[in-house]
Amino acid sequence: SQQGEEDPQALSIQEGENATMNCSYKTSINNLQWYRQNSGRGLVHLILIRSNEREKHSGRLRVTLDTSKKSSSLLITASRAADTASYFCATSRDSNYQLIWGAGTKLIIKP
Amino acid sequence: NAGVTQTPKFQVLKTGQSMTLQCAQDMNHEYMSWYRQDPGMGLRLIHYSVGAGITDQGEVPNGYNVSRSTTEDFPLRLLSAAPSQTSVYFCASSKSTSGSRDTQYFGPGTRLTVL
Repeated sequence: SQQGEEDPQALSIQEGENATMNCSYKTSINNLQWYRQNSGRGLVHLILIRSNEREKHSGRLRVTLDTSKKSSSLLITASRAADTASYFCATSRDSNYQLIWGAGTKLIIKP
Repeated sequence: NAGVTQTPKFQVLKTGQSMTLQCAQDMNHEYMSWYRQDPGMGLRLIHYSVGAGITDQGEVPNGYNVSRSTTEDFPLRLLSAAPSQTSVYFCASSKSTSGSRDTQYFGPGTRLTVL
């Protein structure tokens, strides 16, 4: 079963623009994590945000978490061609050792 | 550190054959897991381990076995390969035994095709 659902499924923007992708989930969580996957490669961790946090930053990345709406967003500012990748959210619940993953957003940055 | 390594990178099997996908990490991580990734879907957890000698089933364990005799290694065995097991397999590890509460470090993946 998939807890997280990313939106949109695909996003194509011009280099330099900002990219926003969203993740919704169904049950209460301990934390929510965002990962990037370049084509044919393994996933790379971007940001982990805990349920008692509302916003986190890392370089050009900004993640927000709204537990009342059970949703999170990932903002990439000043996009670059190298940001072209698929982005996944994963949620962790208190009572579970397992991460539940969404299907991902495919981001294409056009030069 | 090499991080998480997986072998082989590619594999083609015939239906009914068995094989073992290898996964190793050199970060002294307690938690290790195996996922499969199918087109248009997120990762689905096959099996996980919270330490040497301890394994448990994930969301899609049927047709797969695991063991964890050392902290470093977590092999995944396909008992009798089926075309439905055609997928990309990822191994991941994290530092704490709580696993999902921690950053996951992924291997490069094994692309498996079952004919």
